[in-house]
Amino acid sequence: QQQVKQSPQSLIVQKGGISIINCAYENTAFDYFPWYQQFPGKGPALLIAIRPDVSEKKEGRFTISFNKSAKQFSLHIMDSQPGDSATYFCAASRYNFNKFYFGSGTKLNVKP
Amino acid sequence: EPEVTQTPSHQVTQMGQEVILRCVPISNHLYFYWYRQILGQKVEFLVSFYNNEISEKSEIFDDQFSVERPDGSNFTLKIRSTKLEDSAMYFCASSGVRGRVYGYTFGSGTRLTVV
Repeated sequence: QQQVKQSPQSLIVQKGGISIINCAYENTAFDYFPWYQQFPGKGPALLIAIRPDVSEKKEGRFTISFNKSAKQFSLHIMDSQPGDSATYFCAASRYNFNKFYFGSGTKLNVKP
Repeated sequence: EPEVTQTPSHQVTQMGQEVILRCVPISNHLYFYWYRQILGQKVEFLVSFYNNEISEKSEIFDDQFSVERPDGSNFTLKIRSTKLEDSAMYFCASSGVRGRVYGYTFGSGTRLTVV
């Protein structure tokens, strides 16, 4: 059972454009939704996270939008830069539980 | 910024051999985890460890796998008899000064290649 579905698999965006990555989850008990950024050869690094009591969270150029009724959340990267080129994973968890369920990842390529 | 340190960064082993992957979690963290990522696929949970015992494990974490915190700083994953399909990146993570997801930090991983 795929607990978290992520799309697209890959994304090419021009420098300065907006990158949008979408995730959908199944388990309504999930209440913590982080996004991780992973560069080649490195571990996932927490980028931004949201809990379902808010519909949007913004940190710099990164915004999570959350739709509880649709069980969907998305990452928006504004003014995308070549340095943002990485693989992005959404994840979900119950806040006081042990583990994350990860999406399948989106490879973002920001062209100069 | 505190880091989770993993060694070695790359390990090549023969099928059937035992391998131990090592991790030094962030010093004041209480919860420890192993995940794996087969090349090009998503990150998958293997096991969590708290208070010197396994608190949860996935179906991947069968009898070939074991974890240990042999001293106050290290956290290890042992694979008893490696198979070709164990080839993956293995990530250690730690968390939980104020709650399990608080400060959840991954190491840079150990790439295990079974030949």
